[in-house]
Amino acid sequence: EIVLTQSPGTLSLSPGERAILSCRASQSITSSYLAWFQQKPGQAPRLLMYGASSRATGIPDRFSGSGSGTDFTLTINGLEPEDFAVYYCHQYVSTPFTFGPGTKVDF
Amino acid sequence: QVQLVESGGGLVKPGGSLRLSCAASGFPFSDSYMSWIRQAPEKGLEWVSYISPSGSTIDYADSVKGRFTISRDDAKKSLYLQMDSLRADDTAVYFCVRGHTIVQFWGQGTQVTVSS
Repeated sequence: EIVLTQSPGTLSLSPGERAILSCRASQSITSSYLAWFQQKPGQAPRLLMYGASSRATGIPDRFSGSGSGTDFTLTINGLEPEDFAVYYCHQYVSTPFTFGPGTKVDF
Repeated sequence: QVQLVESGGGLVKPGGSLRLSCAASGFPFSDSYMSWIRQAPEKGLEWVSYISPSGSTIDYADSVKGRFTISRDDAKKSLYLQMDSLRADDTAVYFCVRGHTIVQFWGQGTQVTVSS
């Protein structure tokens, strides 16, 4: 099983600042089968990125993803008030598909 | 637009059974992989199971293997999860999801609580 570790656990920032979220895998994720989700309280997760760096439909370009192998990053440039949420990374290269524990971005 | 509506959740005693349903619309259901993903209270996300179009390929998380059964009815555009021998640690919101790798479309979830 591929274990995903996210850091930091909580990121305290203000609107307009840049958020850098990290996701590390216990083994290499081939073909960058790594996605990022955003989740707000009481809502289903929302797909932000797939293939490590491809934005999902309708995702603004202030969100960007990078990385390969075992180290991946989600960057949010110029935080908007609606971006304060929990972010999960997710590997879908092999089952069991797994998720990281999440990074909470708050004020 | 894509819609996924789960139902069937509720309160059940340990050892009991429950069957979740997911009604799909707005996309070619019979051509789509479908999955169940769950989220325990105040916890992260856990992949549960997926089923391929026509049901020829199925996979489960080890935590539910032998207890849960995923199935589909393409004529009814519905996905199911039969959950038997339920345990307290199965308590979670269960999400129906279109796809099995890139999972873009999620339902709003149905709450399953296992408690005596």
